[in-house]
Amino acid sequence: NAGVMQNPRHLVRRRGQEARLRCSPMKGHSHVYWYRQLPEEGLKFMVYLQKENIIDESGMPKERFSAEFPKEGPSILRIQQVVRGDSAAYFCASSGLEVETQYFGPGTRLLVL
Amino acid sequence: AQSVTQLGSHVSVSEGALVLLRCNYSSSVPPYLFWYVQYPNQGLQLLLKYTTGATLVKGINGFEAEFKKSETSFHLTKPSAHMSDAAEYFCAVMDSNSGYALNFGKGTSLLVTP
Repeated sequence: NAGVMQNPRHLVRRRGQEARLRCSPMKGHSHVYWYRQLPEEGLKFMVYLQKENIIDESGMPKERFSAEFPKEGPSILRIQQVVRGDSAAYFCASSGLEVETQYFGPGTRLLVL
Repeated sequence: AQSVTQLGSHVSVSEGALVLLRCNYSSSVPPYLFWYVQYPNQGLQLLLKYTTGATLVKGINGFEAEFKKSETSFHLTKPSAHMSDAAEYFCAVMDSNSGYALNFGKGTSLLVTP
């Protein structure tokens, strides 16, 4: 009974490159949430998706960041033209209909050089 | 918007001693409150949650938390610390406007000494 899967676990990018982070929710879950954890900070909500729909992206930076959750395959968080300030841990969570019970993946730690 | 404040970024206890991690919340409506634990290089694991009903909530690994409305607190306790409890602990409150976004505190790092 696999939990939330994220890959890669660690990602190193140079400034200006693109970062793609993947998240496979728990089996049976159709709700996906992305959170960002900056150094010395708590997690901050970024975006909430259901299959093929972005429900709420109010926590996402307006530029360079996008997210999707296609009908088939994992959810993708995409960061274009990364900058050093994007270095953080990015966590994905999933839930079923009970949205207050969210299960978190191990995170992707992005380092921008 | 709802928010939480965790008092003490680092807490150190001896093995076998009481663990007390403090969390105060700010909310104009009855809050949904959570405690998560994060072990090094791992994701967050839900310890316990309070939604409605009994104000003393029991969670996994012997942890419990009590919702105190008068004090706007949701402190996490464990009677006897184990070495394996060393981790980062996060308190969170659900944003009532969205009904799904979690607002986290900055975390408390628990160190357990022999």
